[in-house]
Amino acid sequence: QVQLVESGGGVVQPGGSLRLSCAASGFTFSHYGMHWVRQAPGRGLEWVAFIRYNGSDKYYADSVTGRFTVSRDNSKDTLFLQMNSLRAEDTAVYYCAKDAATTRSFDYWGQGTLVTVSS
Amino acid sequence: EVLMTQSPATLSVSPGESATLSCRASQSVNSNLAWYHQRPGQVPRLLIYAASTRATGVPARFSGSGSGTEFTLTISSLQSEDFAVYYCQQYNLWPLTFGGGTKVEI
Repeated sequence: QVQLVESGGGVVQPGGSLRLSCAASGFTFSHYGMHWVRQAPGRGLEWVAFIRYNGSDKYYADSVTGRFTVSRDNSKDTLFLQMNSLRAEDTAVYYCAKDAATTRSFDYWGQGTLVTVSS
Repeated sequence: EVLMTQSPATLSVSPGESATLSCRASQSVNSNLAWYHQRPGQVPRLLIYAASTRATGVPARFSGSGSGTEFTLTISSLQSEDFAVYYCQQYNLWPLTFGGGTKVEI
């Protein structure tokens, strides 16, 4: 079955950087777009970034444009999120999610990895 | 960006009753709308896409309707596992956006 396993979260100081990974299995990773979605503690869901199946197109939320970069390695079935210039408001659980292909909805989600930005 | 507004923020319902949740978009999103629910401590789950199509394995008591700017999720005969937070999400335009959520509580 589809599995998405995030890693790389942790505590980082404001202005710092972090790289998240999402290991995918149970489906043909190279055929699907992938998303990052985050959820601040006690808050709602916020879409962060999307990358097309072949990496040819990328889209970002306004709040992270210029600071975050999404990428993928289809040879390793892995999705990445490079986060730079981190701010306190980036504190959240970060989920990777599989694109539903015919729609830009999210049909499978990982368990999430917590990123805490604090001094 | 497209602003998604959900109402009410909280809905108190008894088991076995039905619930109607609303989602409004600041501009037309056609039928490019999805619904999710998130139980406490769990990961969100896709319920509905294309405004009215149930995702795989979703019970028939969940139904979605609407197009353009007004959407509704109806849950008939609420079960204990349905008490959760529900989110709508538009995918008509980038950036993708979620509503703020409706908490369905007992």
